[in-house]
Amino acid sequence: QVQLQQWGAGLLKPSESLSLTCAVYGGSFSGYYWSWIRQPPGKGLEWIGEINHSGSTNYNPSLKSRVTMSVDTSKNQFSLNLSSVTAADTAVYYCARGSKITFFGVVIPDAFDIWGQGTMLTVSS
Amino acid sequence: EIVLTQSPGTLSLSPGERATLSCRASQSITNSNLAWYQQKPGQAPRLLIYGASSRATGIPDRFSGSGSGTDFTLTISRLEPEDFAVYYCQQYGSSPRTFGQGTKVEIK
Repeated sequence: QVQLQQWGAGLLKPSESLSLTCAVYGGSFSGYYWSWIRQPPGKGLEWIGEINHSGSTNYNPSLKSRVTMSVDTSKNQFSLNLSSVTAADTAVYYCARGSKITFFGVVIPDAFDIWGQGTMLTVSS
Repeated sequence: EIVLTQSPGTLSLSPGERATLSCRASQSITNSNLAWYQQKPGQAPRLLIYGASSRATGIPDRFSGSGSGTDFTLTISRLEPEDFAVYYCQQYGSSPRTFGQGTKVEIK
């Protein structure tokens, strides 16, 4: 059974950088794209971006200038870095499993079927 | 970017009643790449429906999805106490992936 476990700093000051990591346990790491999604308190969900095992990324244009994602295939982990945070970045951040990658490298779009437990980030001076 | 608009914002129903939730897209969604999620307070979203109409693993058959193009529907045939939650639609046919703003199903 695939599980995602995430961790990272929960309290930052404005202008600092957010760093989160998500570990994948119990399943294929190379066969999927892995996403980050966030949810401000009391609000809806926003997709931040995705990465695959080879480091290929797709970012939401609304955050692209501040987002960097990376991957560590030796540990089946992927990470999110969000620079220059402000109060507007206060949210619960989730990692999730998304699109499939076939043996031949074809990407099959898919829903987010496995989610991490979420990490609350508060940005406050 | 595809904008998803969910209606109604809040649905007040009693256990045993039927719930019908709507999700309308600003443009046609490729290959019906539309999903529905359920979220309860303090929890991560849970995938209910993918491909507009396929139930995810372990999802009861009282949940069903339908639609294509720009109009999609999630139906809960008979509400159980555990079904009162917020429901989101999401498209994964194009980038960026986008979510609707959510429909809250509350106890009447």
